[in-house]
Amino acid sequence: SQKIEQNSEALNIQEGKTATLTCNYTNYSPAYLQWYRQDPGRGPVFLLLIRENEKEKRKERLKVTFDTTLKQSLFHITASQPADSATYLCALGGYSTLTFGKGTMLLVSP
Amino acid sequence: DGGITQSPKYLFRKEGQNVTLSCEQNLNHDAMYWYRQDPGQGLRLIYYSQIVNDFQKGDIAEGYSVSREKKESFPLTVTSAQKNPTAFYLCASSIGLLAGGPGHEQYFGPGTRLTVT
Repeated sequence: SQKIEQNSEALNIQEGKTATLTCNYTNYSPAYLQWYRQDPGRGPVFLLLIRENEKEKRKERLKVTFDTTLKQSLFHITASQPADSATYLCALGGYSTLTFGKGTMLLVSP
Repeated sequence: DGGITQSPKYLFRKEGQNVTLSCEQNLNHDAMYWYRQDPGQGLRLIYYSQIVNDFQKGDIAEGYSVSREKKESFPLTVTSAQKNPTAFYLCASSIGLLAGGPGHEQYFGPGTRLTVT
């Protein structure tokens, strides 16, 4: 069955550093992959989408890579800020639906 | 303001009662989705709809029902048959297959936290 793995342990980093979050998957060949941010008690907010034929996508301080051979996506936040503290979800894209990972909590300390 | 609204934010029910969660969007999106989120878990798809008057079961549809009579609205009923209904319920919408093909972002509502005792 399809499996998506995101680090279950929180990632703690200092302000100004680059945060790198990992999303690994098995038994799946997604056409695209998305990353969302979720704050406690709120709905997720879309951040970035990357398609299977793209290696890298950037948006301001955010960068996502997609390696379909390794079955892995990396999500980077450069120059991280305390306001970046949240849970980040990766989602694999099928034809009409998304399959979400459990998310990784990021904590950025001043 | 365009967006998705869910009401109420908190809902309490007694075991054995059906309850309906509201989801409305004014984004003119064709596709709408219902997810359930439990503590420490990812979002799990309950039902989705790509067009009015049509919907499909997601991964965990048992004990739930939906309707899609209007483009803007996609209410979810949690029936008494759902064994563990206490959860955080999220509604989302996207452009959908008909308008934009696959691979578009989903816009989420603020969620409804349902507690059944």
